[in-house]
Amino acid sequence: DQQVKQNSPSLSVQEGRISILNCDYTNSMFDYFLWYKKYPAEGPTFLISISSIKDKNEDGRFTVFLNKSAKHLSLHIVPSQPGDSAVYFCAASGRDMRFGAGTRLTVKP
Amino acid sequence: NAGVMQNPRHLVRRRGQEARLRCSPMKGHSHVYWYRQLPEEGLKFMVYLQKENIIDESGMPKERFSAEFPKEGPSILRIQQVVRGDSAAYFCASSRTGGVGVAKNIQYFGAGTRLSVL
Repeated sequence: DQQVKQNSPSLSVQEGRISILNCDYTNSMFDYFLWYKKYPAEGPTFLISISSIKDKNEDGRFTVFLNKSAKHLSLHIVPSQPGDSAVYFCAASGRDMRFGAGTRLTVKP
Repeated sequence: NAGVMQNPRHLVRRRGQEARLRCSPMKGHSHVYWYRQLPEEGLKFMVYLQKENIIDESGMPKERFSAEFPKEGPSILRIQQVVRGDSAAYFCASSRTGGVGVAKNIQYFGAGTRLSVL
């Protein structure tokens, strides 16, 4: 059962522009949402999170937006840098955590 | 301050052998999770454990796979009689607390064990 979906397997963006990664979920019991970043041959690393009581959380170049009514969240990276190139996983947490399939972001110099 | 430690990093087994994957959580973390990532796919939840207890094993195959998190020592994911389809990267994560929401439930991941079945 895919409770968390990332419908874009890949995204390519020019350096300096905005990257927008999207995620949808189906379970209304999820109350905490996270984004992880993964480089090849490494484990995912925590990037940013948001509680369901908020609709926006910002940390430097990274901002996560949550639309509870649409069961949708997005990660904005601005400005994008080549070092941001990685696979980004969206995760939703309630009693346990479920991950999306990931979006591979490529930032071109 | 060590993070989540997984070993071995790479494990090669022949069909029919047993694979044992180890995970030591971060200091102060009592919740451990195992995930599997097949090539070109995302992370798939397998099992969630607390010390000496399996909390949720809904993602674990019913046969050949088992997990434990003893009172002392690392968490172990055991795969008996491995088949080629078991070849994947297995990630372990730990968190300070588990269950319902908020920042305490951030999971921190190890570097993974890449299992190859010949």
